[in-house]
Amino acid sequence: GENVEQHPSTLSVQEGDSAVIKCTYSDSASNYFPWYKQELGKGPQLIIDIRSNVGEKKDQRIAVTLNKTAKHFSLHITETQPEDSAVYFCAAKEWPGNQFYFGTGTSLTVIP
Amino acid sequence: NAGVTQTPKFQVLKTGQSMTLQCAQDMNHEYMSWYRQDPGMGLRLIHYSVGAGITDQGEVPNGYNVSRSTTEDFPLRLLSAAPSQTSVYFCASSPLAGGHGNEQFFGPGTRLTVL
Repeated sequence: GENVEQHPSTLSVQEGDSAVIKCTYSDSASNYFPWYKQELGKGPQLIIDIRSNVGEKKDQRIAVTLNKTAKHFSLHITETQPEDSAVYFCAAKEWPGNQFYFGTGTSLTVIP
Repeated sequence: NAGVTQTPKFQVLKTGQSMTLQCAQDMNHEYMSWYRQDPGMGLRLIHYSVGAGITDQGEVPNGYNVSRSTTEDFPLRLLSAAPSQTSVYFCASSPLAGGHGNEQFFGPGTRLTVL
């Protein structure tokens, strides 16, 4: 099966700085890569996703990049705010198949 | 729409007891899944279903059973609870088909403790 690795496990940034979280995957057939934000006591919520036919996708302050050759994808958050503090998970969906494989999470703290 | 709902929110069991975690969605999604979340291990897929009457195993299926008799409901059964099943359990659903077919919507979770 797929193996997704995520780094770093914890990240602290000053408010207004950028944050970058990186993930690698092992199965070159995986074709969908979502990022989730999980606030304390809640379920994960999708914040952005990218498909294997796209190299970059942006949504306001967040962006995701995908390098299929190197099998890694990254989440970029610019102009961080205290409300960005949460645990972020990357995931990969295998193809063919219907299983999602998650990274181990990154706890992001934005210091006011 | 209520989205994905899970009951109960908290549960304490003794070793060997059985119980069912409930999950329901009102979005007419074909795909439903169960994950467990443990510290430092992310979310791991237990079982999933691509439609009523169809279920399959994920990464960590041992000790759990599922069934999917309707589109809306996807209960997770613990047959004989063990301390290793202490975890937070999340149910998720996805439309599966269409442009947003892969987007998963998660429920609020059930925190289970097995003594």
